[in-house]
Amino acid sequence: DSGVTQTPKHLITATGQRVTLRCSPRSGDLSVYWYQQSLDQGLQFLIQYYNGEERAKGNILERFSAQQFPDLHSELNLSSLELGDSALYFCASKRTGGSEQFFGPGTRLTVL
Amino acid sequence: AQSVTQLGSHVSVSEGALVLLRCNYSSSVPPYLFWYVQYPNQGLQLLLKYTSAATLVKGINGFEAEFKKSETSFHLTKPSAHMSDAAEYFCAVSDGLSSNTGKLIFGQGTTLQVKP
Repeated sequence: DSGVTQTPKHLITATGQRVTLRCSPRSGDLSVYWYQQSLDQGLQFLIQYYNGEERAKGNILERFSAQQFPDLHSELNLSSLELGDSALYFCASKRTGGSEQFFGPGTRLTVL
Repeated sequence: AQSVTQLGSHVSVSEGALVLLRCNYSSSVPPYLFWYVQYPNQGLQLLLKYTSAATLVKGINGFEAEFKKSETSFHLTKPSAHMSDAAEYFCAVSDGLSSNTGKLIFGQGTTLQVKP
């Protein structure tokens, strides 16, 4: 158990819909990272938040957005969903000054 | 820009045999390097990391990796494979202390099969 939690575990929805994925980092970790894992693209960095502020952006679509709240949990919002958005979405957290990221169990999104 | 190449998407070994998973990286700054393991239907678990200290790094479950700057490599090894080692392995690079993002760039992954 990494200490990072993600909900829900599985999500099945239809094209055009909007979903929200939730992540709670390890206690005391201020950095939260979101990654997408798909068969064709592999593991890709999406976005990072540090203490409520966006710190880095990767290959994140404009239809996707994220935020980190004062209690440090983070949400990834995916809208106008397409079939190709079906993937595993991981959240990871890191302590300030640390080097390694601790990953949650992931949310498997299926878009039908 | 940083990148990681894992040579071989599938590696098959017999139980008890040496495991060697290859990783080459590209980075314009001193990198931090990581190996993660992913078991079916689970998240990623850190096996080991290199952060500019000792070049031979020991990790969990008997795995180790050697950082070779001249070869830009960070290959993962284990002397004797167990059935429980069957999983997908990811090599990753981050930009370490040169920035304060630390985002990970992953290789495509190597699936390790262990035959009895």
